[in-house]
Amino acid sequence: TQLLEQSPQFLSIQEGENLTVYCNSSSVFSSLQWYRQEPGEGPVLLVTVVTGGEVKKLKRLTFQFGDARKDSSLHITAAQPGDTGLYLCAGRYNFNKFYFGSGTKLNVKP
Amino acid sequence: GAGVSQTPSNKVTEKGKYVELRCDPISGHTALYWYRQSLGQGPEFLIYFQGTGAADDSGLPNDRFFAVRPEGSVSTLKIQRTERGDSAVYLCASSLMGVEETQYFGPGTRLLVL
Repeated sequence: TQLLEQSPQFLSIQEGENLTVYCNSSSVFSSLQWYRQEPGEGPVLLVTVVTGGEVKKLKRLTFQFGDARKDSSLHITAAQPGDTGLYLCAGRYNFNKFYFGSGTKLNVKP
Repeated sequence: GAGVSQTPSNKVTEKGKYVELRCDPISGHTALYWYRQSLGQGPEFLIYFQGTGAADDSGLPNDRFFAVRPEGSVSTLKIQRTERGDSAVYLCASSLMGVEETQYFGPGTRLLVL
């Protein structure tokens, strides 16, 4: 059972385009994290959102946590080839555990 | 400083064999996590250590899997009687204090069971 559903699974776009990745669940999470993972490496944390309705910006990346703390989105403005990678959301659940979604594989073509 | 390191980087074994995977966390980090990542999936939680003790081992799939962290630093994930379905990337992460802190991941050990 996948607690966190990510969409789309794959996304291939041209440099300069905007995109949004979604992370949805029927469960409530105390916090939600977004990671980026490159081939052969472990995930690297981009952001943690804690409060329902929270919006965080990291340069061209905007992260939003749903009001009910069940869903989140990642928006990238003017994507660049360096943004290419696997984007994972992870929800903190039952204090100790983080449940990861299956990821969105993003390819930004120059 | 050095990040999380994992050895070996790749491991090929035969069905039924025993394997040990090692994780060296960032120095001073008290929390350590093991995850398993199958192809095309996100990491799946296995076990969480706080210091020397396993605070949550509910993610271990069955009793063939066991992990230790005897001195509160290096951790070893042990898999007995390996099965082809155990093939995956095993990721280790550490954080300074616990679940409230940023997890830093190692590059993983790619396990292939033939």
